[in-house]
Amino acid sequence: DAGVIQSPRHEVTEMGQEVTLRCKPISGHDYLFWYRQTMMRGLELLIYFNNNVPIDDSGMPEDRFSAKMPNASFSTLKIQPSEPRDSAVYFCASSGTGAFYEQYFGPGTRLTVT
Amino acid sequence: SQKIEQNSEALNIQEGKTATLTCNYTNYSPAYLQWYRQDPGRGPVFLLLIRENEKEKRKERLKVTFDTTLKQSLFHITASQPADSATYLCARGMDSSYKLIFGSGTRLLVRP
Repeated sequence: DAGVIQSPRHEVTEMGQEVTLRCKPISGHDYLFWYRQTMMRGLELLIYFNNNVPIDDSGMPEDRFSAKMPNASFSTLKIQPSEPRDSAVYFCASSGTGAFYEQYFGPGTRLTVT
Repeated sequence: SQKIEQNSEALNIQEGKTATLTCNYTNYSPAYLQWYRQDPGRGPVFLLLIRENEKEKRKERLKVTFDTTLKQSLFHITASQPADSATYLCARGMDSSYKLIFGSGTRLLVRP
């Protein structure tokens, strides 16, 4: 298995632009998570899905952030408009009911907003 | 709020020694605790999970304990090797859900 796939790996954009991060979870996993990691705040859960349905989005910072999961093999995290404080590494992770809570993380997308 | 606290200072030990990392939590005991390893530029990798009703869990050179009285989990790496150098993250499970709250991580440096 290829593991969790994220794209792009690096993204540099200007303030005010729209940014879309993409994730392909491990096949067969029915949970998908989006995290953000910064030096100041550590690894924070933004939102997670079960069977493509958002379960908890209490970590989403504000309305500028949105996430979708149109099918079991694809999810997006969108930031519109982006701001310099959004600069961070964004991780996608997936888990399956049989895995008993262990999460498999992707390599992350390093976002820089100038 | 439910918090997880890890020592922010790096742990620096000699190869062959046992590394012990600490994770403290607040309020009620989590249903489970997990430990992850993170190398620079990579995503966290799952290592071990311990449930609330378990005292200890082992996997090869790794051992995790869960003390609900002290509200603490200890993570041990025996016979440490330079390849064990990484940041180790502790995470608490929220009730019986898949939601995790992560600590800030402790960086381990194993000197050859």
